[in-house]
Amino acid sequence: SAVISQKPSRDICQRGTSLTIQCQVDSQVTMMFWYRQQPGQSLTLIATANQGSEATYESGFVIDKFPISRPNLTFSTLTVSNMSPEDSSIYLCSVAGAGLASSYEQYFGPGTRLTVT
Amino acid sequence: AQTVTQSQPEMSVQEAETVTLSCTYDTSENNYYLFWYKQPPSRQMILVIRQEAYKQQNATENRFSVNFQKAAKSFSLKISDSQLGDTAMYFCAFMKPAPRIRLVFGQGTRLTINP
Repeated sequence: SAVISQKPSRDICQRGTSLTIQCQVDSQVTMMFWYRQQPGQSLTLIATANQGSEATYESGFVIDKFPISRPNLTFSTLTVSNMSPEDSSIYLCSVAGAGLASSYEQYFGPGTRLTVT
Repeated sequence: AQTVTQSQPEMSVQEAETVTLSCTYDTSENNYYLFWYKQPPSRQMILVIRQEAYKQQNATENRFSVNFQKAAKSFSLKISDSQLGDTAMYFCAFMKPAPRIRLVFGQGTRLTINP
């Protein structure tokens, strides 16, 4: 499996501001994903981060609200823009492919706990 | 769209007992993958076990095994000789590999192992 780190691990932010979350992997991976886990809920896929091109967003998530970058095969960022209390969640990145056990197994980072006041 | 259902919001067993977590899913696909993930209080999602739909043999990883019933669209997880460290949220997840990879998670089962 891969070693995945996320920064920050947690943050408390003011309504209307933006926060950028970083995801770093210790090896090159084919695919990177961003998930949201609202309090007491399951995980929901926000988007697939594509290297060198625009991310692929799931229904209900838009680029203006959750811009994503992926400049190379080991790094991605997710920005939560113009935050409201409803954005309070854990945000997790995951990776798959390229040197991992299976192209279809996803490994998760430790998550970023975001609280919006 | 695929859906994953975990009908047991919470379960509790004594240490060393065997426990089975249920999962059903709905899909019209023939080629897909199923997973169980564990999320302890530290919130780190840990892959427990994987099952390919084309494989008839049930997957096993040490104390963890699955009962995959493709026709019934059922995918249960059995934990043998449960340990205190098994206390966590367990999520069942479905994935079809095409046209693009995406995991769909169930609602989760909170499992508590009591000493």
